[in-house]
Amino acid sequence: QKEVEQNSGPLSVPEGAIASLNCTYSDRGSQSFFWYRQYSGKSPELIMSIYSNGDKEDGRFTAQLNKASQYVSLLIRDSQPSDSATYLCAVNRAAGNKLTFGGGTRVLVKP
Amino acid sequence: GAGVSQSPSNKVTEKGKDVELRCDPISGHTALYWYRQSLGQGLEFLIYFQGNSAPDKSGLPSDRFSAERTGGSVSTLTIQRTQQEDSAVYLCASSWSREAEAFFGQGTRLTVV
Repeated sequence: QKEVEQNSGPLSVPEGAIASLNCTYSDRGSQSFFWYRQYSGKSPELIMSIYSNGDKEDGRFTAQLNKASQYVSLLIRDSQPSDSATYLCAVNRAAGNKLTFGGGTRVLVKP
Repeated sequence: GAGVSQSPSNKVTEKGKDVELRCDPISGHTALYWYRQSLGQGLEFLIYFQGNSAPDKSGLPSDRFSAERTGGSVSTLTIQRTQQEDSAVYLCASSWSREAEAFFGQGTRLTVV
């Protein structure tokens, strides 16, 4: 089992719709969870962090964390073509000292 | 500086040569990470520093790879006797602590010919 798993996509959504991205992780003791956006040829850019169970909203983005299910998700409301990118889930594991990334989900927002 | 700075931005080297990649983290950030990203692939963890020490070197692919961090600030990733499979983008990130958000530099694109 991979430490952090994401569906590779592509996830195709029409402009204005909600994009829903999922991520599962294996280390039950993980404490910190992050979503990054990476445009082609660019480095990852932090968009959300979440540390406790529940929802966290920032503009059009909502992160959801469920530690019991070892699951973190990202919702993008009112999706725009500029949201087309690869979204990376990252988990700071309790075991070991590293920030581990999933393989990323490619999102395509079609006008 | 305002962000994480990496140099050089691009490096082309001949197979068998040694290369040094530099990362200058955000001022005050104690945690520093190195990752490698091959074309179309995800981020591969290489090494993590907390201050000057590296508690986790588990991701270094071989003994040709080494890294150091001096003064709790600048870090250098050295690849000896480069091979074509070392071609990738090398990314550095820093954060206030292991639990905090990490911010990435622009990366160094390494091409071994």
